[in-house]
Amino acid sequence: KAGVTQTPRYLIKTRGQQVTLSCSPISGHRSVSWYQQTPGQGLQFLFEYFSETQRNKGNFPGRFSGRQFSNSRSEMNVSTLELGDSALYLCASSLSGQETQYFGPGTRLLVL
Amino acid sequence: KQEVTQIPAALSVPEGENLVLNCSFTDSAIYNLQWFRQDPGKGLTSLLLIQSSQREQTSGRLNASLDKSSGRSTLYIAASQPGDSATYLCAVRRFSGGYNKLIFGAGTRLAVHP
Repeated sequence: KAGVTQTPRYLIKTRGQQVTLSCSPISGHRSVSWYQQTPGQGLQFLFEYFSETQRNKGNFPGRFSGRQFSNSRSEMNVSTLELGDSALYLCASSLSGQETQYFGPGTRLLVL
Repeated sequence: KQEVTQIPAALSVPEGENLVLNCSFTDSAIYNLQWFRQDPGKGLTSLLLIQSSQREQTSGRLNASLDKSSGRSTLYIAASQPGDSATYLCAVRRFSGGYNKLIFGAGTRLAVHP
């Protein structure tokens, strides 16, 4: 069974630009969660999608948004990038959201 | 507000040692607790998940315990190997204000040297 995949793996953007990250969950998993990992703040929850609906949300500004498609694939968008958005962005999938979370390899975003 | 603390922040041991990693959380109203490992620059690999009604889970050389009343979990690694070198993270899942999310500790960076 294929694991969680994320694209792209690496990304370099400049301040003010916007970026879209993609996550394909394990087949059959309907819940996709997104996390931001930085050396200073550690792993922080961004949001969770289940059946195309945002079900949970962390404490991030509205510049961070996401969506989920009918095949459970999810995208995360960050608009008006800031230097502080440089981080490893991880997505995780699970069957319904409360079981074992399976993480993808992450997308490393560098904002210059 | 739920806080998750992991002690120690870093640990270096010789190969073959048994070791214990600690995780504490401030709010005992958790749904479950999960241990992960993360290799440098990589994603997280799930090791063990303990439901709030359980006391421990075992997988191979790993054993995780949960004491909800005291807000503690431990991850025991038997006969450590250099391949165990990684950062170990614990995360608790709780429901709060209708939200359900994983809250992570900062991790314990483990180095096992030959």
